[in-house]
Amino acid sequence: QKEVEQNSGPLSVPEGAIASLNCTYSDRVSQSFFWYRQYSGKSPELIMSIYSNGDKEDGRFTAQLNKASQYVSLLIRDSQPSDSATYLCAVKRATDKLIFGTGTRLQVFP
Amino acid sequence: SAVISQKPSRDICQRGTSLTIQCQVDSQVTMMFWYRQQPGQSLTLIATANQGSEATYESGFVIDKFPISRPNLTFSTLTVSNMSPEDSSIYLCSVLQAEAFFGQGTRLTVV
Repeated sequence: QKEVEQNSGPLSVPEGAIASLNCTYSDRVSQSFFWYRQYSGKSPELIMSIYSNGDKEDGRFTAQLNKASQYVSLLIRDSQPSDSATYLCAVKRATDKLIFGTGTRLQVFP
Repeated sequence: SAVISQKPSRDICQRGTSLTIQCQVDSQVTMMFWYRQQPGQSLTLIATANQGSEATYESGFVIDKFPISRPNLTFSTLTVSNMSPEDSSIYLCSVLQAEAFFGQGTRLTVV
């Protein structure tokens, strides 16, 4: 079992729709979770961090965390073609090392 | 957030040679990390660069192949030694504050 798992996609959604990206992790003691966006040829950029169970909203983005189910998700409302990128879920180990999932490629079509 | 300068941004190298990648941070940070991203893949942690002590390597990565220096709290280097085409990847340095931030990456092609 991989430490952080994501569906590789591609996930295709029409412009204006909600994109839902999912991630599961195996280490129950993990406390910090992150979503990064990576455009082709660029380095990852941080979108959201979440540390507590429940929802965290920032603009069009909502991160959801369920530690009991070891599940993290990212919702993107009103998806735009500029949101087309690979979204990486990352989990911080107790040692402070950040472990990444394989990423989900999102395609938003006009 | 920290500003991270990584260089070179890209290089094409002959097999058997070595390349040293530099990472400069605009503030002092305790934790620095080096990642590899192979084509079409996600990020794999190579090692944690510790100031004042040897780097800590992840499984599958060894010091002879990827020597790392961390002379102070704002700078680190990663050397890719005795390169082969399989080392062609993007190499990224990262710093951890509350969250992790990345340098621009080094795209390495070994021919």
